[in-house]
Amino acid sequence: DQQVKQNSPSLSVQEGRISILNCDYTNSMFDYFLWYKKYPAEGPTFLISISSIKDKNEDGRFTVFLNKSAKHLSLHIVPSQPGDSAVYFCAASALYSGGGADGLTFGKGTHLIIQP
Amino acid sequence: KAGVTQTPRYLIKTRGQQVTLSCSPISGHRSVSWYQQTPGQGLQFLFEYFSETQRNKGNFPGRFSGRQFSNSRSEMNVSTLELGDSALYLCASSLGARADEQFFGPGTRLTVL
Repeated sequence: DQQVKQNSPSLSVQEGRISILNCDYTNSMFDYFLWYKKYPAEGPTFLISISSIKDKNEDGRFTVFLNKSAKHLSLHIVPSQPGDSAVYFCAASALYSGGGADGLTFGKGTHLIIQP
Repeated sequence: KAGVTQTPRYLIKTRGQQVTLSCSPISGHRSVSWYQQTPGQGLQFLFEYFSETQRNKGNFPGRFSGRQFSNSRSEMNVSTLELGDSALYLCASSLGARADEQFFGPGTRLTVL
């Protein structure tokens, strides 16, 4: 059962426009969400995160929105640049009753292609 | 500050063999997590070690094991390799608190023939 879903395997956006990447989750215990970016032959790099007590977090060109009732989050990139072309992973974390850190549950990724 | 390093970068093994992968975290990071990435399943959490103890474990068979040393370096072992174990194995380190950012290494590409 896939707990974190990224339903668009790929997305093509024109340079300068807004890129919107979507992510849905099913586990109501998730309370911390992250976006990672991955280039080929490299490990994922952290982009931005959001706690479930917030509905928006912004960092430069990147904004993450969280809709807890819909169990949906999105990453907005404005304006999109050629260097943004990469695979973007949505990830979620849950604090179980036992406490302590938990591994991240990742979506399968969306390949963002920025067209010049 | 040096990033997360993983060795080897590429590995080819045959079915039934075992393999050990190594990860050196960022200096000062006490948590090391391991992930498996395959085209079909995406990135899946294997386990996390903190201060030499396994703190969390994903849903993988017992053939997958790991350990962490006192200097926070970690190793992952896979015994009795199967074709389906072919994947990119990623290691990530963090300071250790749950909300801390995880920094990923470049991964070890394992091919099982």
